[in-house]
Amino acid sequence: DADVTQTPRNRITKTGKRIMLECSQTKGHDRMYWYRQDPGLGLRLIYYSFDVKDINKGEISDGYSVSRQAQAKFSLSLESAIPNQTALYFCATSAAGTESTEAFFGQGTRLTVV
Amino acid sequence: AQKITQTQPGMFVQEKEAVTLDCTYDTSDQSYGLFWYKQPSSGEMIFLIYQGSYDEQNATEGRYSLNFQKARKSANLVISASQLGDSAMYFCAMRRPRGGYNKLIFGAGTRLAVHP
Repeated sequence: DADVTQTPRNRITKTGKRIMLECSQTKGHDRMYWYRQDPGLGLRLIYYSFDVKDINKGEISDGYSVSRQAQAKFSLSLESAIPNQTALYFCATSAAGTESTEAFFGQGTRLTVV
Repeated sequence: AQKITQTQPGMFVQEKEAVTLDCTYDTSDQSYGLFWYKQPSSGEMIFLIYQGSYDEQNATEGRYSLNFQKARKSANLVISASQLGDSAMYFCAMRRPRGGYNKLIFGAGTRLAVHP
């Protein structure tokens, strides 16, 4: 089993619908992140959390919300999906550490909003 | 502002040849880390190599090496003896520990095609 698991892997939804992307990890890491990948823009940070009580906005948080249900679970919600939220979404984790700490990524969720 | 720049949207290389993927970064921090990730067509992100800002030696991992030029703020990835399986997107990223928030910021990526 993957250390960082995202569900669903693929999703097509309609404009205006609420959708939740889920992430769970077995690495025991405190830090969890949600990124969005768009062609030509790389990965951009949406939200990050350093423990269950700590949630922080990233550079592109508008239109998104998150929930850290437990150390191992971090969910991303789109309250009212719009077509420009069509993208590949990644969850990542890392240990508390220094600048050398590697991030581990889930397999990604390909979301299409029609 | 912290920023990673990858100026090559696409590159191609002949199998068995070496290729360099460019990465420049902008930061005022003294302590930071630089990473390269590979993203094959299947979509997952695979960690390749890491270079710390205080490391005096260039990092190497098998066929991957990082040409770190701190004064120029560049961290180019060198892939030696390219293989067909190296065809993928490659992302340069920087981690800054300032304030305890080890956020990882990414460049736009370079798509590498290895030709037989």
